[in-house]
Amino acid sequence: DTAVSQTPKYLVTQMGNDKSIKCEQNLGHDTMYWYKQDSKKFLKIMFSYNNKELIINETVPNRFSPKSPDKAHLNLHINSLELGDSAVYFCASSPRNQETQYFGPGTRLLVL
Amino acid sequence: DAKTTQPPSMDCAEGRAANLPCNHSTISGNEYVYWYRQIHSQGPQYIIHGLKNNETNEMASLIITEDRKSSTLILPHATLRDTAVYYCIVRVARAGGTSYGKLTFGQGTILTVHP
Repeated sequence: DTAVSQTPKYLVTQMGNDKSIKCEQNLGHDTMYWYKQDSKKFLKIMFSYNNKELIINETVPNRFSPKSPDKAHLNLHINSLELGDSAVYFCASSPRNQETQYFGPGTRLLVL
Repeated sequence: DAKTTQPPSMDCAEGRAANLPCNHSTISGNEYVYWYRQIHSQGPQYIIHGLKNNETNEMASLIITEDRKSSTLILPHATLRDTAVYYCIVRVARAGGTSYGKLTFGQGTILTVHP
């Protein structure tokens, strides 16, 4: 009965590949987010969706494309992976855009 | 959103109160103070938030100064499991436009609780 889940937990891939990370929340929340935490542990927002509509896109390269098939899911597709994409990616959700965000366990991406 | 300043690290003995300070001298009248923490290898976890009154929940207490330029998160009886990075974040609640729901994390305070 995990609130916010992400798959996979670990992802190791070669430079140039395309990969997807999936996120699902069973909290009935309207808003979902993707955050990136780099090697220096800085946590930065990438995208926010509210009711399947893109709300925030924080100067993220076009290689990153979020997709929200429904309110409970927000997937992240990354094209042409680069070494600098190696990071931990966290999905989060909140009731509409309210203050309390619930985070998933993270997906650790390593690009070789 | 207003910028926050936190000490990079703090230590606390198990069972004692942990008091984590945060400065937010440029906070606006409609901005709330939020605290999240991130335990090693986990996603961030919401702790508490407040506007100007002191707040308490099952996890912690939040003390906000009268001028709202600083605040303190208090873990009344720290345990080893409270070892984590604690983030103080200031933002407008229920914001619209480009700050819609965005949390801006700083470097936080690494709290180490030792036996």
